[in-house]
Amino acid sequence: GENVEQHPSTLSVQEGDSAVIKCTYSDSASNYFPWYKQELGKGPQLIIDIRSNVGEKKDQRIAVTLNKTAKHFSLHITETQPEDSAVYFCAPGDDKIIFGKGTRLHILP
Amino acid sequence: NAGVTQTPKFQVLKTGQSMTLQCAQDMNHNSMYWYRQDPGMGLRLIYYSASEGTTDKGEVPNGYNVSRLNKREFSLRLESAAPSQTSVYFCASSDWGRGTLGEQFFGPGTRLTVL
Repeated sequence: GENVEQHPSTLSVQEGDSAVIKCTYSDSASNYFPWYKQELGKGPQLIIDIRSNVGEKKDQRIAVTLNKTAKHFSLHITETQPEDSAVYFCAPGDDKIIFGKGTRLHILP
Repeated sequence: NAGVTQTPKFQVLKTGQSMTLQCAQDMNHNSMYWYRQDPGMGLRLIYYSASEGTTDKGEVPNGYNVSRLNKREFSLRLESAAPSQTSVYFCASSDWGRGTLGEQFFGPGTRLTVL
């Protein structure tokens, strides 16, 4: 089955700086690569996703980059703000998605 | 639209008791999912339903049963609760069908404690 790993597990970033979270996966058949954000006490919410025919996608301060050859994709958040503090999950998949264990992002004032 | 709703929000059970977690979505989605979330483990899929009338096992189905009552509702049943089932349970729905993945919409979760 799919093996999904996220790094780092915890990340502290000064407000205004950039944050990068990396997700590696094992199933070469994966063709869908989403990132979810989970705030305290809530369910996860999709923030950005990409499909295997695209290498990069950007939505304002958030971007996702995909390297299918190396089987990893990354979440990039620029100009971080306090409301970016949350847990972020990658969830790559083919016919089913498998969630990574999450990265806790702290934005420091 | 309420999106995905779950009841109850909190529940405490004793070992061996049974209960059903309810989930409903008003987005006319075909697919629905049940996950459990434990500290440091991410979300693990328990069961899913790709369409009304079908259900399939996920990663951790043991100890659970599900019913896709109609297109809107997908329930999760614990027949004989065990302390290992203490977790936060999330229901989700998606407009994408089998073989094609897309955004999943999550409910607010049910926090279950089994003593």
